[in-house]
Amino acid sequence: KAGVTQTPRYLIKTRGQQVTLSCSPISGHRSVSWYQQTPGQGLQFLFEYFSETQRNKGNFPGRFSGRQFSNSRSEMNVSTLELGDSALYLCASSLSPKTSGRASNEQFFGPGTRLTVL
Amino acid sequence: ILNVEQSPQSLHVQEGDSTNFTCSFPSSNFYALHWYRWETAKSPEALFVMTLNGDEKKKGRISATLNTKEGYSYLYIKGSQPEDSATYLCAFAHDYKLSFGAGTTVTVRA
Repeated sequence: KAGVTQTPRYLIKTRGQQVTLSCSPISGHRSVSWYQQTPGQGLQFLFEYFSETQRNKGNFPGRFSGRQFSNSRSEMNVSTLELGDSALYLCASSLSPKTSGRASNEQFFGPGTRLTVL
Repeated sequence: ILNVEQSPQSLHVQEGDSTNFTCSFPSSNFYALHWYRWETAKSPEALFVMTLNGDEKKKGRISATLNTKEGYSYLYIKGSQPEDSATYLCAFAHDYKLSFGAGTTVTVRA
């Protein structure tokens, strides 16, 4: 079974640009979550999608957005990039129950996209 | 903002020694507590998902316990090996998301 894939793996952008990152979950997984990791910080939750619906959003500015497609693939977009957006962005998929908020299923992480903003 | 804390931040262990570290989380509205291992240049990998007070789970030389009433979980590594060197993350599950602690980085010296 193929794992979670993320593209691109590395990205260099300049301030003010926008970026789109892609995540393909494990086949059959309908829940996709996105996380940001910056130096000295733990994994910070960005958002979670299930069946094309965002069920929760972390404490990030509106410049961060995402979406999920009918095949469960997900994209996240960051507009008007700032230097502080330089980070490792991870996505994770899981067999989340449709209506439960319990997140009791393990998450499977992709390799991440390393974004550098100059 | 949910507070998930892990201690210590890092520890160094001699090969063959056993060690343990702590994750503390809110004791109210408990759903699940996850443990992940994150090795350098790899993706985080799930170790355990714990849902019941008193849960004890084991995978090889690694085990974990859970106390939801007081809001803590311990992860134990028995007979540490160099391949156990990694950052161990715990995460509190709620509202369709995981809130992660900052992790405990374990370095096993041969």
